[in-house]
Amino acid sequence: DAMVIQNPRYQVTQFGKPVTLSCSQTLNHNVMYWYQQKSSQAPKLLFHYYDKDFNNEADTPDNFQSRRPNTSFCFLDIRSPGLGDAAMYLCATSRGSGEEQFFGPGTRLTVL
Amino acid sequence: QKEVEQDPGPLSVPEGAIVSLNCTYSNSAFQYFMWYRQYSRKGPELLMYTYSSGNKEDGRFTAQVDKSSKYISLFIRDSQPSDSATYLCAMNYGGSQGNLIFGKGTKLSVKP
Repeated sequence: DAMVIQNPRYQVTQFGKPVTLSCSQTLNHNVMYWYQQKSSQAPKLLFHYYDKDFNNEADTPDNFQSRRPNTSFCFLDIRSPGLGDAAMYLCATSRGSGEEQFFGPGTRLTVL
Repeated sequence: QKEVEQDPGPLSVPEGAIVSLNCTYSNSAFQYFMWYRQYSRKGPELLMYTYSSGNKEDGRFTAQVDKSSKYISLFIRDSQPSDSATYLCAMNYGGSQGNLIFGKGTKLSVKP
């Protein structure tokens, strides 16, 4: 089945210790997105790639970076996680901009 | 005023009831409207994707869009305990502006 896969599903890191979250897709979609979702809140877009073109939301902290080495994979790097970065991180894909987005299961990040 | 308003609930109904979930929005430029279902600690799952004003039906689910009133609804007929989840409305401008703007989600509980 075509899908969006995120690894790991649960990640525990220490305050200030860099962490990388992974997303892969078998849908062959052009656009990949990273969202942050805190408890009982709506997902908040961090950035997205249209193919190799990177688009950063204006209020995404510099602490968050992303890489998309090829169509299938996208990574979220958090350089120095703070306690406020504990959240569910969701990866999504869409065939084109403005089209329906399909989400992965998420990675729940805990910062100690 | 927030761009997308959604009553967070919680909403509790008996099994078999008809459920009505709603969102209002402020920007008439929104073109595409979606409903996602999110189970606890999982990623959002796309339920409905609509473009124009009117109704779209899929099984027990009906999505309704009223662009003149800036109001969208999701109806669930014959609700089941397995429908218990948080329902998120989302919308975007279409074209190159693919970012989804989410409502905060309504938590639904269907009691057997």
